[in-house]
Amino acid sequence: AQSVTQPDIHITVSEGASLELRCNYSYGATPYLFWYVQSPGQGLQLLLKYFSGDTLVQGIKGFEAEFKRSQSSFNLRKPSVHWSDAAEYFCAVGARGGAQKLVFGQGTRLTINP
Amino acid sequence: KAGVTQTPRYLIKTRGQQVTLSCSPISGHRSVSWYQQTPGQGLQFLFEYFSETQRNKGNFPGRFSGRQFSNSRSEMNVSTLELGDSALYLCASSPSVSGNTIYFGEGSWLTVV
Repeated sequence: AQSVTQPDIHITVSEGASLELRCNYSYGATPYLFWYVQSPGQGLQLLLKYFSGDTLVQGIKGFEAEFKRSQSSFNLRKPSVHWSDAAEYFCAVGARGGAQKLVFGQGTRLTINP
Repeated sequence: KAGVTQTPRYLIKTRGQQVTLSCSPISGHRSVSWYQQTPGQGLQFLFEYFSETQRNKGNFPGRFSGRQFSNSRSEMNVSTLELGDSALYLCASSPSVSGNTIYFGEGSWLTVV
């Protein structure tokens, strides 16, 4: 069965600092991988996705993520965070041939210090 | 292009009642799925529909049901509401069933009292 682990429940960084959110997945083959962001009271907005090809993927709002098959990881990074990046971030895995059924991690809440 | 639209956005129901939530996918999208989000359980898959057929179902009791119409719009229904059904219900759509980006709506906040 697929599973996703986001080891960090809550992270606090200073504005302008770099950010890395961790995501580890368990899946028997190469999955589809997603990062979504959720602001309070809102739905999920897609930041980026990995389906195949280049293992470093670029997303919106200056985010990027790197797929590392050997480590079963798909960590999200941003070189310099802005106060507006404060939100909850979810990593998700989808099975090839059944991409609508996503399995989500528990989420990482990001707080930005001014 | 309009995004995924969910109605109602907020609702309060009493235990034992039933509720119907509606979802209009992005124009041209034929696959719709539903998720429940709670603080304790996180985001959990409910079901997925494509061309009016349920393709997948999550591990939820039979009180949770859904359907999809010929125009791809979808509804989900929860009968005999329990306090634990209080959650954000998210609808998502994608063009087809595989290899596509999945877009979410703003959700319907259900409070059961």
